[in-house]
Amino acid sequence: QVQLVQSGAEVKKPGASVKVSCKASGYSFTNYGITWVRQVPGQGLEWMGWISASYGHTIYAQNLQDRLTLTTDTSTSTAYMELRSLRSDDTAVYYCARDRGTSVDSWGRGTLVTVSS
Amino acid sequence: DIQMTQSPSSLSASVGDRVTITCRASQGISNWLAWYQQKPEKAPKSLIYATSSLQSGVPSRFSGSGSGTDFTLTISSLQPEDFATYYCQQYNSYPRTFGGGTKVEIK
Repeated sequence: QVQLVQSGAEVKKPGASVKVSCKASGYSFTNYGITWVRQVPGQGLEWMGWISASYGHTIYAQNLQDRLTLTTDTSTSTAYMELRSLRSDDTAVYYCARDRGTSVDSWGRGTLVTVSS
Repeated sequence: DIQMTQSPSSLSASVGDRVTITCRASQGISNWLAWYQQKPEKAPKSLIYATSSLQSGVPSRFSGSGSGTDFTLTISSLQPEDFATYYCQQYNSYPRTFGGGTKVEIK
């Protein structure tokens, strides 16, 4: 079955960077994209960006594109989300999801990133 | 960016009720709309893609309809496990914007 296993919770100071991993299994990694979505506690879902797992082509949300980098490692079927220059309002749960072009169909469990001095 | 507006933002319903949630896009998105369900402290779950196609394993009491700018998610007979927050998302263009969510609560 399709599984997306994300790395554990992180606590970072303002100005630091965080890198969250998302290891895929149960399907051919390069046949799909990976979408990243975040959710501030108690709020709605925010689309962050998408990466083609096969070609590495990326599309970012405009409000994050200066600080966000999405990558994949096809040898380990793992996607990565790196967010730099963290601020307190980046405190959120970060989700990866398998993207098949018409929607996402499988989600990771989420990674809580807390930004606090 | 395409804005997605859901209504209502919350509703109270009883088990067995028919529930309808609407989602309006600020411009036409053809049928490129998806619906997700999220329970507290859990990851979202994908329900519907391309307006009306059910993801694998989703019960048939869930259905979707619409096209262009106006869409609906219907739960034909609300079950206890359906109390959750529901989000729509457009897949017509980037950024893939979400609606603000509709919380379905127990009456």
